[in-house]
Amino acid sequence: QKEVEQDPGPLSVPEGAIVSLNCTYSNSAFQYFMWYRQYSRKGPELLMYTYSSGNKEDGRFTAQVDKSSKYISLFIRDSQPSDSATYLCAMDSQGGSEKLVFGKGTKLTVNP
Amino acid sequence: DSGVTQTPKHLITATGQRVTLRCSPRSGDLSVYWYQQSLDQGLQFLIQYYNGEERAKGNILERFSAQQFPDLHSELNLSSLELGDSALYFCASSDPPPGYTFGSGTRLTVV
Repeated sequence: QKEVEQDPGPLSVPEGAIVSLNCTYSNSAFQYFMWYRQYSRKGPELLMYTYSSGNKEDGRFTAQVDKSSKYISLFIRDSQPSDSATYLCAMDSQGGSEKLVFGKGTKLTVNP
Repeated sequence: DSGVTQTPKHLITATGQRVTLRCSPRSGDLSVYWYQQSLDQGLQFLIQYYNGEERAKGNILERFSAQQFPDLHSELNLSSLELGDSALYFCASSDPPPGYTFGSGTRLTVV
């Protein structure tokens, strides 16, 4: 079983839709959970991070962590064509001071 | 611009050859991480350096090696290249955590 599982999609939604992206993981030592956005031919950029369980909101983005289910989610409200990218979840046990374990990424297209 | 600089952006080389990828971390960042990204494997951790010392090793092949210099820039050396080594190679830096800042990558094509 892979440490981090993420549905690769692709996911195609109309502009304005609510998008839900998810990852599951198997390592109960993971404490830090991150979402990266990667545009085509660019490096991943950190979108949000959450420590332990709970929710975190930043504008149109909400990250949720459920450690009991080993399940994390990223919600995008009022999705825009500029949100079209690949979204990668990442996690580790030390807050990024050691290697992050990444999901394979979900490719999202938001259609105008 | 993320502040992490990678050169070259693109590299095309033949099987059996050796190449060197270069990374300059963000100013002040002491850690450098190297990742390989391929379509089927996603982002795979290769190696981490912290202030010149190797800190952690991932699934890095013996044909690959890296080092971090006193000015904190890092180089990833790939030798005896095979077709399967074609991928995007990313460097990232972080200090302090959490999370990394990635460079824009080097696209390696082995023909």
